[in-house]
Amino acid sequence: DAGVIQSPRHEVTEMGQEVTLRCKPISGHDYLFWYRQTMMRGLELLIYFNNNVPIDDSGMPEDRFSAKMPNASFSTLKIQPSEPRDSAVYFCASGHGGTLGLAFFGQGTRLTVV
Amino acid sequence: EDQVTQSPEALRLQEGESSSLNCSYTVSGLRGLFWYRQDPGKGPEFLFTLYSAGEEKEKERLKATLTKKESFLHITAPKPEDSATYLCAVQEGTDKLIFGTGTRLQVFP
Repeated sequence: DAGVIQSPRHEVTEMGQEVTLRCKPISGHDYLFWYRQTMMRGLELLIYFNNNVPIDDSGMPEDRFSAKMPNASFSTLKIQPSEPRDSAVYFCASGHGGTLGLAFFGQGTRLTVV
Repeated sequence: EDQVTQSPEALRLQEGESSSLNCSYTVSGLRGLFWYRQDPGKGPEFLFTLYSAGEEKEKERLKATLTKKESFLHITAPKPEDSATYLCAVQEGTDKLIFGTGTRLQVFP
């Protein structure tokens, strides 16, 4: 298995533009997590899905952020409109139910909003 | 508020100089404590899971221990390739993991 695959690896966009981050989880995993990592706040959970259903989105900073999981092999995190304070590394991770700490992370998407 | 605090923020060691990293937590119902390693430009990589006080896990030069309030990651005779950021996370009563901000370890030859 190739592991969790995220795209793009790097994204530079102008303030106000829409940004879409993509994630392909490991086949067979029933949990998918979106995290954001910054120097100041570390790793923060934004939202997670179980069997493609959003379970907890309390970490989503505001309405500009949305996430979808249309099927078991694909998820997106969208920011519209983007702002400079959204600049961070966004990670997607997947895991099995019952061993959620054993999450497998993707390589991340480094987002820069100018 | 549930919290995970790691110390020190950064640690510089000479090759072979053993030390420990600390992770203290305040959660109401601990379901598990997890250690991850993160290399620059990469996602965190799972190392250990600890479930109850007194439990210990080992992998090569690393040993993780757990008490009711904290966990230690002991590094014995570290090598330069052990240089990374080490993250601690706790899982409380829900499915969520709460991560600390990490300890950045540098091991010099």
